[in-house]
This record gives sequence, C-alpha cells and structure tokens, in this order.
Amino acid sequence: DAGVTQSPTHLIKTRGQHVTLRCSPISGHKSVSWYQQVLGQGPQFIFQYYEKEERGRGNFPDRFSARQFPNYSSELNVNALLLGDSALYLCASSLQISGNTIYFGEGSWLTVV
Amino acid sequence: AQTVTQSQPEMSVQEAETVTLSCTYDTSESDYYLFWYKQPPSRQMILVIRQEAYKQQNATENRFSVNFQKAAKSFSLKISDSQLGDAAMYFCAYRTYSGGGADGLTFGKGTHLIIQP
Repeated sequence: DAGVTQSPTHLIKTRGQHVTLRCSPISGHKSVSWYQQVLGQGPQFIFQYYEKEERGRGNFPDRFSARQFPNYSSELNVNALLLGDSALYLCASSLQISGNTIYFGEGSWLTVV
Repeated sequence: AQTVTQSQPEMSVQEAETVTLSCTYDTSESDYYLFWYKQPPSRQMILVIRQEAYKQQNATENRFSVNFQKAAKSFSLKISDSQLGDAAMYFCAYRTYSGGGADGLTFGKGTHLIIQP
C-alpha cells in the first residue's frame, strides 16, 4: 500500500506569490494534518482536517489555508509568501481524528526568494 | 499550552552500544499520547514508538524502549545495540487524547543522534 504522498517535492517561489501543496493520505485514512518544519526545528502544527472539515488550527496567520476533498486528499495554500515561509511542509494522516498512529509523508520543500 | 523539551541537541554513541535520549513535557491533561519519531536525512518522519499515558507499562519495539514517568512528565527513549542506520534526528512529540478536538502533535526541537562505527 502507498504511504502518504505529497507533491511537489521541491519548489521555489518569489515573495508575494501564492503556493499550493498537495497531499494524499494512506488509503482508508480520514484525517489529514499539516506541519511546517523550519530548518533546525521540530515540526509545528498548522491544520488538521477530518471528514472534509477543519478540526484544528495552529498558531499560523490567515495567509495559510487548507481544504480536504471527498477522497480525503488535501491541499495547503499559502498566500502572499514571505521569506520566513521557507520550510519543509509535512503532511500526516491517521485513521481517525484522535488516532494514535500518525504517518508522515516525505514533505514538500518550499524555498521563498 | 503543552510544551516538549529535549535538552540534548546532540548525542553520540558507539555502534552496538546503548544510548538514552531525554524528553520532558508539560501538560495539565491526564490523558495523552507520547511519541518518538525518527527523521533521517531523507526528512521523512518515521514513527519509532508510542505510549498511551493511561498505560503504566513502558512501550517496547524491538531495540527501542521508553521509560515513561508520568508524575515526573518524563519520556526517555532507549536504543539498544545501536546500528549505523539509527543515525538521525529524533523528535519527542505529545498529543492530547481529545476525541473531538484536534490539537495536532507538539514536537520538541530534536536530538541529533550520531553513531560512531
């Protein structure tokens, strides 16, 4: 079975632009969450979605938004990119919203120049 | 807010030896999960071991085991018979046991584990 898949793996954007990152959870997993990992730090929670509804949000500005589709895949959108948004964006999936087995994808490296 | 602290930025161990990575956390919750994740240079976070706070027995997965001290809010990871493939960043993480809410995982800053051949 495929694990959590993310695309693109690497991308470079200019300040002020918009970016969309995509995630497909493990088959059967209904919960998807997004994390930002800045170099040298642990991941920070951005969003959790379950059954297409936002169920949790971390301390990130409104420039960050996400959605989950009927097939449980998800998109993370970031508007008006700043240099500080350069990071590895990780997607994770679990069976249920309170699942204690959370699997991560390989991440999308975003560089903002 | 919950916090997770990993006080060892870097640890080094000889191959085949045992190493213990430390983690402390702060929470007012009584039910929660604790995790250790491994992040090799490929950057994918790999679940190493997890512990439910209501379980008194320490979790074990092959060469990996934890020492969970709930009263002290401590959750250390012991790696026995260290192998070169164990070299990676190790992150301790916490999650509340809330069924309806979704707080996500709270991670520590990580410990870089070096395995000396």
